[in-house]
Amino acid sequence: AQKITQTQPGMFVQEKEAVTLDCTYDTSDPSYGLFWYKQPSSGEMIFLIYQGSYDQQNATEGRYSLNFQKARKSANLVISASQLGDSAMYFCAMRGRLNTGNQFYFGTGTSLTVIP
Amino acid sequence: NAGVTQTPKFRVLKTGQSMTLLCAQDMNHEYMYWYRQDPGMGLRLIHYSVGEGTTAKGEVPDGYNVSRLKKQNFLLGLESAAPSQTSVYFCASSPGTLEQYFGPGTRLTVT
Repeated sequence: AQKITQTQPGMFVQEKEAVTLDCTYDTSDPSYGLFWYKQPSSGEMIFLIYQGSYDQQNATEGRYSLNFQKARKSANLVISASQLGDSAMYFCAMRGRLNTGNQFYFGTGTSLTVIP
Repeated sequence: NAGVTQTPKFRVLKTGQSMTLLCAQDMNHEYMYWYRQDPGMGLRLIHYSVGEGTTAKGEVPDGYNVSRLKKQNFLLGLESAAPSQTSVYFCASSPGTLEQYFGPGTRLTVT
């Protein structure tokens, strides 16, 4: 079974501080991709960062980095130097390559609020 | 380059009515997806397509049908709408094994 778990329904962070959003996953697929998306209050889904299961290094995109721990099946998102515009819902997602027909599976999301 | 567009943006239906949601992408992507988003449940996959003329069931396909007659379009149909289908519907497309590109969403209310 494929499953994404986000255990933090809501998080608060002080502006300019770093924050970690947790994501764990379960899959029987030997090859998979992990993604993070941001959904602001306006509703659109914005792609943030991608990590392949065979990538040796953790992915980084500007202020976003993905802390990938394969043995623990976790793919936490780290946002450095938080900004007010980072307040949004954040979704972790996984895509299997072989056994799951290229389907994406999403977690239930974490609501992040940045406090000035 | 419009990316992924969805029509309509809002719709109110009465129970038992039918409707079709249209998703169009101009990026020549092979893969297209339909999701529904409900409060507290994230995005759940309804149906998807891995190429023109192909469709497959996702996690929550019941009550929906889809068609992909042209590569750029992916239609989601509700034959007999039910209040449980009140949701925000997102379409997405993908070139392959990397990220999905999402449309702006359609807010559907069934009364």
